[in-house]
Amino acid sequence: ETGVTQTPRHLVMGMTNKKSLKCEQHLGHNAMYWYKQSAKKPLELMFVYSLEERVENNSVPSRFSPECPNSSHLFLHLHTLQPEDSALYLCASSQGTGRSNEQFFGPGTRLTVL
Amino acid sequence: KQEVTQIPAALSVPEGENLVLNCSFTDSAIYNLQWFRQDPGKGLTSLLLIQSSQREQTSGRLNASLDKSSGRSTLYIAASQPGDSATYLCAGTGYNKLIFGAGTRLAVHP
Repeated sequence: ETGVTQTPRHLVMGMTNKKSLKCEQHLGHNAMYWYKQSAKKPLELMFVYSLEERVENNSVPSRFSPECPNSSHLFLHLHTLQPEDSALYLCASSQGTGRSNEQFFGPGTRLTVL
Repeated sequence: KQEVTQIPAALSVPEGENLVLNCSFTDSAIYNLQWFRQDPGKGLTSLLLIQSSQREQTSGRLNASLDKSSGRSTLYIAASQPGDSATYLCAGTGYNKLIFGAGTRLAVHP
């Protein structure tokens, strides 16, 4: 595997379910990100991790819970979601979190909440 | 608040045309400017990254320019092809984040 991978690619869940999204980067980067892309809205940053430590939480509801066990893996745990949380969730990584760092994106997980 | 605006929102052109996509940003704190391509339902593919100290970058038929003083970037696509059809996103790098525009949806028809 190369680059940034995400699983699953598609997920359908009910509002009472608990599920997790997984992201893995094979680039030797130190920073990882979760973004949300809703229909007809710009991508929104959700969380930033640098060296496994959360450095930014962009006012995301607590029903989204990130986890970064090491610099290569990032999870987004989901519970009691709402239909408006249906979106494409994108993971990205970069060498560092400084402003000069280029971000590389995974293919995304298309989430549908029923 | 940092904002990134892309014009036009949608563009439909015949194959072979040269075209320009525009991106403007309101905050001079935006450091670099990155252009991405997104195919329907897919992730983002990085096309060009213009560092703060640079004025432009080129890759094949793509050329991107950056003018921080006016808060503008343009993506020039030469000799467009149907395979160029996608949504093009620009993003400015702030501290710890990328700030995205809403994108330009491009359709190139044969």
